[in-house]
Amino acid sequence: AQRVTQPEKLLSVFKGAPVELKCNYSYSGSPELFWYVQYSRQRLQLLLRHISRESIKGFTADLNKGETSFHLKKPFAQEEDSAMYYCALALYSGGYQKVTFGTGTKLQVIP
Amino acid sequence: GAVVSQHPSWVICKSGTSVKIECRSLDFQATTMFWYRQFPKQSLMLMATSNEGSKATYEQGVEKDKFLINHASLTLSTLTVTSAHPEDSSFYICSARGLVAGYYEQYFGPGTRLTVT
Repeated sequence: AQRVTQPEKLLSVFKGAPVELKCNYSYSGSPELFWYVQYSRQRLQLLLRHISRESIKGFTADLNKGETSFHLKKPFAQEEDSAMYYCALALYSGGYQKVTFGTGTKLQVIP
Repeated sequence: GAVVSQHPSWVICKSGTSVKIECRSLDFQATTMFWYRQFPKQSLMLMATSNEGSKATYEQGVEKDKFLINHASLTLSTLTVTSAHPEDSSFYICSARGLVAGYYEQYFGPGTRLTVT
């Protein structure tokens, strides 16, 4: 069965410092991976997806199939980046997409 | 952008009563809708997946007779918690998946806080 692991519940960094939120997955097929973000008192929203290989709000994430990882990175953290971040893996089952979420990492950027 | 709404935002009900939560995709057609449950400081737990016009598929451990899901149209799904008990108190989040700007994506509703007294 597919599984997503985010080892850190809380990550605190100073403003301007680099950020790396870790995500590892287990899935035997070709995964489709995402990062979702939930700002305080807001709904969950998509941050980025691995297939688009884009940078959103300065964040990037590279899929490493050898290490089965999809870590989220940003070179210089900003206070507005403080939020909950969820790594997610999507697969197709029975004709529809099913998404499995990690347990989330709370990013706290210290001014 | 694509928006998913939920109603009500929060509800308090007495033990033994039933509660219905609505989820709507406001500006796109949702071929698939998902219902999640989130406990405090925990991740989202998928409860069930429903495709428009067909029966929902429930995850292991989720009672289908207790959590009734209806996906009657491409923009509306409902979750009914029947004979609610205090242990059903939780934050329920729906998500709708549809084709928006060339991508199939999931958009999340703001959630419904259910408190059973």
